[in-house]
Amino acid sequence: AQSVSQHNHHVILSEAASLELGCNYSYGGTVNLFWYVQYPGQHLQLLLKYFSGDPLVKGIKGFEAEFIKSKFSFNLRKPSVQWSDTAEYFCAVNAKRKGTYKYIFGTGTRLKVLA
Amino acid sequence: DGGITQSPKYLFRKEGQNVTLSCEQNLNHDAMYWYRQDPGQGLRLIYYSQIVNDFQKGDIAEGYSVSREKKESFPLTVTSAQKNPTAFYLCASSIGTGSSYNSPLHFGNGTRLTVT
Repeated sequence: AQSVSQHNHHVILSEAASLELGCNYSYGGTVNLFWYVQYPGQHLQLLLKYFSGDPLVKGIKGFEAEFIKSKFSFNLRKPSVQWSDTAEYFCAVNAKRKGTYKYIFGTGTRLKVLA
Repeated sequence: DGGITQSPKYLFRKEGQNVTLSCEQNLNHDAMYWYRQDPGQGLRLIYYSQIVNDFQKGDIAEGYSVSREKKESFPLTVTSAQKNPTAFYLCASSIGTGSSYNSPLHFGNGTRLTVT
């Protein structure tokens, strides 16, 4: 079955620390990859996306993600986190299932950044 | 500003009652979705609709029903048959699922339903 795995459920970092959140998916066909973020009390919003081309994509607020096809991974990174990055992060794959493209979400990673 | 409006933000119901959650969008998007978000389980797809008057079951459709009579509206009814209805429900939309299959989802603020 197609799935998206986020291995880190809770991450706690101090400000200025580097961040890497793992995301692995199981699907052999063409995929579109996304990271969404949900700040406390706010709606889910798009952080970045990968469709094709350069496997290193840059998103908002200094985030980036690298698509490694051979590893079925799309890890999210940020060199130096801020307190305002405290949020829940979801990896998502948009892939074709039963003739229609559908989103599959990971279970999410709660990031807490200590000031 | 264009967006998705979900109402109400909090909803309380007694067990055995049906309840309808509202979702309205003014983004002129063809596709609309309902997700359920539970701690540690991510987002699970309940129903989705690609065009008006058409909708399909998602991964956890049992105990739910939807309608899509208008492009901008996609209400979700949680029926008494849903065994564990207390959850956070998210509505989303996208340009489409056909040629624009890579269009990102736009989310509403969600409705937290508590059934006692």
